Amino acid sequence: ETGVTQTPRHLVMGMTNKKSLKCEQHLGHNAMYWYKQSAKKPLELMFVYSLEERVENNSVPSRFSPECPNSSHLFLHLHTLQPEDSALYLCASSQDKGATDTQYFGPGTRLTVL
Amino acid sequence: GDSVTQMEGPVTLSEEAFLTINCTYTATGYPSLFWYVQYPGEGLQLLLKATKADDKGSNKGFEATYRKETTSFHLEKGSVQVSDSAVYFCALSDPWGAQKLVFGQGTRLTINP
Repeated sequence: ETGVTQTPRHLVMGMTNKKSLKCEQHLGHNAMYWYKQSAKKPLELMFVYSLEERVENNSVPSRFSPECPNSSHLFLHLHTLQPEDSALYLCASSQDKGATDTQYFGPGTRLTVL
Repeated sequence: GDSVTQMEGPVTLSEEAFLTINCTYTATGYPSLFWYVQYPGEGLQLLLKATKADDKGSNKGFEATYRKETTSFHLEKGSVQVSDSAVYFCALSDPWGAQKLVFGQGTRLTINP
């Protein structure tokens, strides 16, 4: 595997379910990110991790809970979501979190909340 | 705060046409500027970037020049192909701000044969 991978690619869940999204990067990077991509809205940064430490939480509701156990893996734990949380969730990584560091994106998880 | 504004899509062109997608920005400091492309069913890929004024980023026939005086980073390609059909995102990363990528809303491009 190369680059940034995400699983599952598609997820359908009810509002009372608990599920997790997984991201893995094979690039040796130190920073990882979660983004939300909704229809007709700009990409929204949710969380930033640098060296496994959360450095940004962009006013995300607590029903989204990130976890970064090591520099290669990032999870997004989901519980009691709302239908408006349906979106494409993208993971990205970069060498460091500096302004000139290129972010490499995974293919995303398409989430539908019923 | 920092923001990026792109021309609204969708944009539809014929093959071999000239492409321009406009992008302007507002930022606190001196940002780095990026164009990302998202092909159907895939994540975003970096297309090109520029890190200081007057730099020109280029890749796969696409070009964009960092214009500080007009706060712009317009994407151009001289002759588009059907395979260029995708959504294009302009973005900035401001070292004096929150050091995070701020994206425009994206421009959907369709190239007809």
